[in-house]
Amino acid sequence: EVQLLESGGGLVQPGGSLRLSCAASGFTFSTYVMSWVRQAPGKGLEWVATISASGGGTYYADSVKGRFIISRDNSKNTLYLQMNSLRAEDTAIHYCARGDRYSGWNYWGQGTLVTVSS
Amino acid sequence: QSALTQPPSASGSPGQSVTISCTGTSSDVGGYNYVSWYQQHPGKAPKLMIYEVTKRASGVPDRFSGSKSGNTASLTVSGLQAEDEADYYCSSIAGSNNFVVYVFGTGTKVTVL
Repeated sequence: EVQLLESGGGLVQPGGSLRLSCAASGFTFSTYVMSWVRQAPGKGLEWVATISASGGGTYYADSVKGRFIISRDNSKNTLYLQMNSLRAEDTAIHYCARGDRYSGWNYWGQGTLVTVSS
Repeated sequence: QSALTQPPSASGSPGQSVTISCTGTSSDVGGYNYVSWYQQHPGKAPKLMIYEVTKRASGVPDRFSGSKSGNTASLTVSGLQAEDEADYYCSSIAGSNNFVVYVFGTGTKVTVL
């Protein structure tokens, strides 16, 4: 059974940093493109970042480019999102998701809440 | 990276059909056959319903179907059931084949009357 389990969310002050993790199981993690998608409270979905299966290609939404870094450790079956220079508008549930343009995001984690506030 | 446009709400009685539109541009919806649709119940993670415009995800009932014409994609739910009441989001790839960018729709709340 495919499982994605996010962790690392919490309350952080504006300008602070946070690292999210997504532990994957039930599939060969190293062969799948992975992404982060977020949802602000009461708002719609927003794509954040995508990383290729090998980790050699990374892609970002304009809203996080230069502040967030997506990475993965295929030996640990884990996806990461390093979030720097956090702003109030980054407050959202952050989901990790498996899939690509060909398959859609066919598996999602339960999400982890990031709250940026002083 | 502008959001794709969806109607805020749609509704239908049980057994009826409802169609949700998703309008973009030639740089996203119109330029690629990589439109997907997601269903989200309150407090839950999104669930993939349709990918590559028309393909149903595993386990999705054939009451759900997708299509595209020009810059507008559509999701049709036939034979509405109570459990179909949820928020629905479209998504499309945007940009060139060498540069990956994704965009979501603004979301549509479907109500089963």
